[in-house]
Amino acid sequence: NAGVTQTPKFQVLKTGQSMTLQCAQDMNHNSMYWYRQDPGMGLRLIYYSASEGTTDKGEVPNGYNVSRLNKREFSLRLESAAPSQTSVYFCASNPYRNTEAFFGQGTRLTVV
Amino acid sequence: QKEVEQNSGPLSVPEGAIASLNCTYSDRGSQSFFWYRQYSGKSPELIMFIYSNGDKEDGRFTAQLNKASQYVSLLIRDSQPSDSATYLCAVNVRPNQAGTALIFGKGTTLSVSS
Repeated sequence: NAGVTQTPKFQVLKTGQSMTLQCAQDMNHNSMYWYRQDPGMGLRLIYYSASEGTTDKGEVPNGYNVSRLNKREFSLRLESAAPSQTSVYFCASNPYRNTEAFFGQGTRLTVV
Repeated sequence: QKEVEQNSGPLSVPEGAIASLNCTYSDRGSQSFFWYRQYSGKSPELIMFIYSNGDKEDGRFTAQLNKASQYVSLLIRDSQPSDSATYLCAVNVRPNQAGTALIFGKGTTLSVSS
């Protein structure tokens, strides 16, 4: 049982490049989330998808876009990467609201 | 902006002592509350969840919730060096009309010395 799988695990980008972080869950969960974690800042919500077909902004959405491709997959896109987007990105999912979230292993992104 | 506040620490306790971690939240409509533990370089993992006012115990861990005061706490009894980690408080909030999402505090770093 894989749970929540993120790809890639590590990535280095140059300023201005674009990339998509992939996330897939095999637990038939309805809701999916993208967070970023910076030192001393905890986890900050970028975007979330309460159910298949819906996406909404979280606390820090600027510079990002998302796609809920189907119930399993939720991708995060950086159109023009900036050094301020250097962070560890976590994808998470939960079956429905008010339940615990399960996390992927994280993607460590460096923008130079 | 709906917020979750935690003292960043570090909180240092000797082995065998009780560690007390605190969290306050701003959204009075929140219904579910979680404590996650995160080791350095790893993903957060759930320790406890609590939905109702009062105490909830699981082994060495006790979560306490007071919705009137908008306060959640985690007590760790008989602290062990392996408990040294960052503890994240998470609260379910409704950022907009679309649905609910988990919002996290900045985390409290706990160090247990042997």
